[in-house]
Amino acid sequence: GESVGLHLPTLSVQEGDNSIINCAYSNSASDYFIWYKQESGKGPQFIIDIRSNMDKRQGQRVTVLLNKTVKHLSLQIAATQPGDSAVYFCAESPGGSARQLTFGSGTQLTVLP
Amino acid sequence: DTEVTQTPKHLVMGMTNKKSLKCEQHMGHRAMYWYKQKAKKPPELMFVYSYEKLSINESVPSRFSPECPNSSLLNLHLHALQPEDSALYLCASSPDRDSYNSPLHFGNGTRLTVT
Repeated sequence: GESVGLHLPTLSVQEGDNSIINCAYSNSASDYFIWYKQESGKGPQFIIDIRSNMDKRQGQRVTVLLNKTVKHLSLQIAATQPGDSAVYFCAESPGGSARQLTFGSGTQLTVLP
Repeated sequence: DTEVTQTPKHLVMGMTNKKSLKCEQHMGHRAMYWYKQKAKKPPELMFVYSYEKLSINESVPSRFSPECPNSSLLNLHLHALQPEDSALYLCASSPDRDSYNSPLHFGNGTRLTVT
C-alpha cells in the first residue's frame, strides 16, 4: 500500500555540522508535505512545510527539498545545535487536506558535543 | 509553548477506572483531532471532529469515547482500558477538517499508563 517512510531511523551529527534527514513517499497523489520535530515528552512541533508546486523552501536554519520525480523529501538543518536533538517526522497529505495527513516512521537525530 | 493545551500531562489508571482527557485550543480552529502515539512510533489518527461533529472514527474501540462540547474543547473519555492502551495521546487542531496546505497544531499530549 501507499506509505511514507524514512531511510534512516537514527542519525548522529557533530554540533555545528549540517544535518540531512531523508524521507521517501510513495503516494503520487500527495501534494503537501510537512516536517515535524518531536522532543522527548512533547508533542510534534511544526518546522516547515512545502507544496508540490515547489522544489525548495527555506526557513530559519532549515531547508526542505522536494524531488517529485523520485518521490523524495529531505530536511536540512544548518549548524546543528544540541537543541535540535529530537525525533523528526515527515508527513504527507494527498490533496493537501489536514485530515488525510500520514506520518512517516521518524528519524532520531542526536547532536554530539 | 503550544497553543493546544492538554490535561492532564500524566495519567495512571486501572483497567476498571473511568477517566477523561481534555484538550483546549483558542485559535478559532474548527477541526480537532485525537491521535495515539506509542513509543518510537509515529502518531496514529483516532478521531476527527469538524464543526463539533464527529467526522472520522478510525475504527477505534468503544472503550474510547470522544466528545466535543464546543469548538474550543475536545474530550476523550476512557473506560475499561487495557494495558496495551498505554500511550501518549495527542490532541491537534486545524482551521477546518479540509484545511488545505495548513499543518496540524499539536498539544504536548497526555502520557497514559494503564495498570
